[in-house]
Amino acid sequence: EAGVAQSPRYKIIEKRQSVAFWCNPISGHATLYWYQQILGQGPKLLIQFQNNGVVDDSQLPKDRFSAERLKGVDSTLKIQPAKLEDSAVYLCASSSQFSIGLISYEQYFGPGTRLTVT
Amino acid sequence: TQLLEQSPQFLSIQEGENLTVYCNSSSVFSSLQWYRQEPGEGPVLLVTVVTGGEVKKLKRLTFQFGDARKDSSLHITAAQPGDTGLYLCAGAWNTGRRALTFGSGTRLQVQP
Repeated sequence: EAGVAQSPRYKIIEKRQSVAFWCNPISGHATLYWYQQILGQGPKLLIQFQNNGVVDDSQLPKDRFSAERLKGVDSTLKIQPAKLEDSAVYLCASSSQFSIGLISYEQYFGPGTRLTVT
Repeated sequence: TQLLEQSPQFLSIQEGENLTVYCNSSSVFSSLQWYRQEPGEGPVLLVTVVTGGEVKKLKRLTFQFGDARKDSSLHITAAQPGDTGLYLCAGAWNTGRRALTFGSGTRLQVQP
């Protein structure tokens, strides 16, 4: 079974530029997550999709970040314009469902995109 | 705000030693997961615990969920260099946001 694919793996941009990340989840997984992981910290959820609908985007900085999941499969995360503090690894994860009752399903993570903003 | 704290932040030990890392919250978890993350990769799930007092074993790793479901521990017996990595706990709560919240992790280095 193929894992979660992400591209690019690395990106270096200057502040105020735009950048986009792409994620292809495991086939058949309904739930897709984007996380931001700053060096020395755990992943922080930015947005969660169930099929092509947004379930939780409460921690997404909507003035500069946007995400979409067209057709409920691939997803893109965009930052426009980028700030220095956006330097981080952006992780995409997917799961077959969000939860059963209150028990969270296993999330499968991609390798991440390391973004450096200079 | 539901917070999740992990300790210690860093741990450097010799091969063959035992270690325990901790995950704590002031609120009751509905479920808790432990992940391991290696450099340049995404986290990989090790275990999910749900029931208070639950103990799960994965080879040399023992996971315990507190009776009150507010804390958890991961114990590694006879650590090996292959255990090196970032250990993350991730919790979900009954109230508020149901999405997983990750701790800041324990970075483990096992020296040969």
